[in-house]
Amino acid sequence: DQQVKQNSPSLSVQEGRISILNCDYTNSMFDYFLWYKKYPAEGPTFLISISSIKDKNEDGRFTVFLNKSAKHLSLHIVPSQPGDSAVYFCAASNRNAGGTSYGKLTFGQGTILTVHP
Amino acid sequence: DSGVTQTPKHLITATGQRVTLRCSPRSGDLSVYWYQQSLDQGLQFLIQYYNGEERAKGNILERFSAQQFPDLHSELNLSSLELGDSALYFCASSPTIEGTGGRIAEKLFFGSGTQLSVL
Repeated sequence: DQQVKQNSPSLSVQEGRISILNCDYTNSMFDYFLWYKKYPAEGPTFLISISSIKDKNEDGRFTVFLNKSAKHLSLHIVPSQPGDSAVYFCAASNRNAGGTSYGKLTFGQGTILTVHP
Repeated sequence: DSGVTQTPKHLITATGQRVTLRCSPRSGDLSVYWYQQSLDQGLQFLIQYYNGEERAKGNILERFSAQQFPDLHSELNLSSLELGDSALYFCASSPTIEGTGGRIAEKLFFGSGTQLSVL
């Protein structure tokens, strides 16, 4: 049962344009969401996160939007740069499950983003 | 560099064998996690340790076991290996958030992984 889904395996965008990566979840107990970026031969690195009490969080070129009613979140990258080309993973956690569950993240399958110069 | 060290980077072995993957967390991080990434799959949570004690378990097979030592490094032991165990195994660590009475941050720092190939 895939509780976090990234339905687009890949996305191709022109440099300078907006990249929108999408993520859907089914578990209504999830209340904290994160995006990680992964380059080849490296581990995932944290990008941005959002709590379920918010609907938007911004950090520079990266903005995450959360639509709780639709159980959907998206990552916007504006403007996209060739260095953004990587695999992006959406992840979710249930903070209400208690402190020992923090860090027990449920990940999506990832979306390969390619930004063309 | 995340500060999390995993060894070895690559491991090739045969079915039925046993291997040990090693992880050193970031300095000061008490929490260590193991994740598995198979082909076409996202990262699957296996197990979490906090200061030497097991804290959470995911879909970890009975053939797999882990431990965290007093110096906080961790090992993941995989035995009776099968072809389907071929995957990228990541270790991650996370800090405890100050002033929260021990709450662990969800912001994980990942190592570069161990690519296990079972032939």
